[in-house]
Amino acid sequence: GAVVSQHPSWVICKSGTSVKIECRSLDFQATTMFWYRQFPKQSLMLMATSNEGSKATYEQGVEKDKFLINHASLTLSTLTVTSAHPEDSSFYICSASRAVPGNTIYFGEGSWLTVV
Amino acid sequence: DAKTTQPTSMDCAEGRAANLPCNHSTISGNEYVYWYRQIHSQGPQYIIHGLKNNETNEMASLIITEDRKSSTLILPHATLRDTAVYYCIVRALGGSQGNLIFGKGTKLSVKP
Repeated sequence: GAVVSQHPSWVICKSGTSVKIECRSLDFQATTMFWYRQFPKQSLMLMATSNEGSKATYEQGVEKDKFLINHASLTLSTLTVTSAHPEDSSFYICSASRAVPGNTIYFGEGSWLTVV
Repeated sequence: DAKTTQPTSMDCAEGRAANLPCNHSTISGNEYVYWYRQIHSQGPQYIIHGLKNNETNEMASLIITEDRKSSTLILPHATLRDTAVYYCIVRALGGSQGNLIFGKGTKLSVKP
């Protein structure tokens, strides 16, 4: 069964509004979670690294004020897309890893965001 | 940038073994080789990983060359449900901090 869960699976929002996506590790504590974005027919692009109890680390070119990441507990990270625009429509995927060297990273099911 | 190179696409007949190659000539001594696959509109699924020894699990086998500069993922009896994009990724050892950088992967098409 899934060990990382995302919610919602898909969401449609109006341009200018904000939307929150949740990522939960179901049976382990994840000190670090990762957020990716994937446009159609492209590979996954890392957006940011989410660290429990501290600020997220964003990849170059990703606006931290637009994509707010909160990692308030060891099992939950959230991504909020603020003032969404149609170009933010994408497949957003999170992942989490157990705190063991050489450990496996597991991915959530992904969340489809459509901004209209 | 991704540190691996893979063929863009491959075909495989249903029931036959699918052998997916990956080159990682700049791999460091502390980096593992990970394989994931992504079926359309889903999150990536973990398949297998290894450091230098060959590995096998219920899904696949991973063969890593002695110099660790390349590897092959083997799906022993491919089914139509194995049609997906397969990603070969190298990731540093070191706890939970190492993220996964995805390349373009190999689109495997399993045909009846």
